[in-house]
Amino acid sequence: DAGVTQSPTHLIKTRGQQVTLRCSPKSGHDTVSWYQQALGQGPQFIFQYYEEEERQRGNFPDRFSGHQFPNYSSELNVNALLLGDSALYLCASSPKTGRGSDTGELFFGEGSRLTVL
Amino acid sequence: AQSVTQLGSHVSVSEGALVLLRCNYSSSVPPYLFWYVQYPNQGLQLLLKYTTGATLVKGINGFEAEFKKSETSFHLTKPSAHMSDAAEYFCAVSATGANNLFFGTGTRLTVIP
Repeated sequence: DAGVTQSPTHLIKTRGQQVTLRCSPKSGHDTVSWYQQALGQGPQFIFQYYEEEERQRGNFPDRFSGHQFPNYSSELNVNALLLGDSALYLCASSPKTGRGSDTGELFFGEGSRLTVL
Repeated sequence: AQSVTQLGSHVSVSEGALVLLRCNYSSSVPPYLFWYVQYPNQGLQLLLKYTTGATLVKGINGFEAEFKKSETSFHLTKPSAHMSDAAEYFCAVSATGANNLFFGTGTRLTVIP
């Protein structure tokens, strides 16, 4: 049973560029959340997708956008990259929410480490 | 609103000694509380969680935590540290289960042989 998979694992971009990160959730999960983990910090919630729609959003600017596909996989897009966007981006999946089966557990991928120069 | 404070960014213990990692939370509603562990260059793995019911929660690898509402605390303990416990530990709180977790800044645990 494959867990949460993310790609790419590492990438380097320059200021002003755009980046797309990808995530496949754990089998049987349909909810995907994205977190940003800056060096030495805890993860910060970016947004969550369920049924191909953004359901919740953290305190991140509109430069951060996402998408969820019918197969539940997801993308995180960041436009106009800033040096401060350098971080580990974590994708997490969870079982169906809003239907009384929320186990209260997130399954995390190993992350995509983005460096902005 | 929810928030978490982890006291001590670095904790060192000797192998075989008690592990105590502190976490205090703030929540406007009854909280869901979690401890996650992160090994170098890896994602986060759930150690244990408190949702409702028994306030003493047992997790994987011999860890446990006790929810104390009066102290707004959820400290993580393990009776005897093992070298393999060396990692970064994060406490997290949520108002609604797995949605939108608020993480603390983490505590790096070092185990001294």
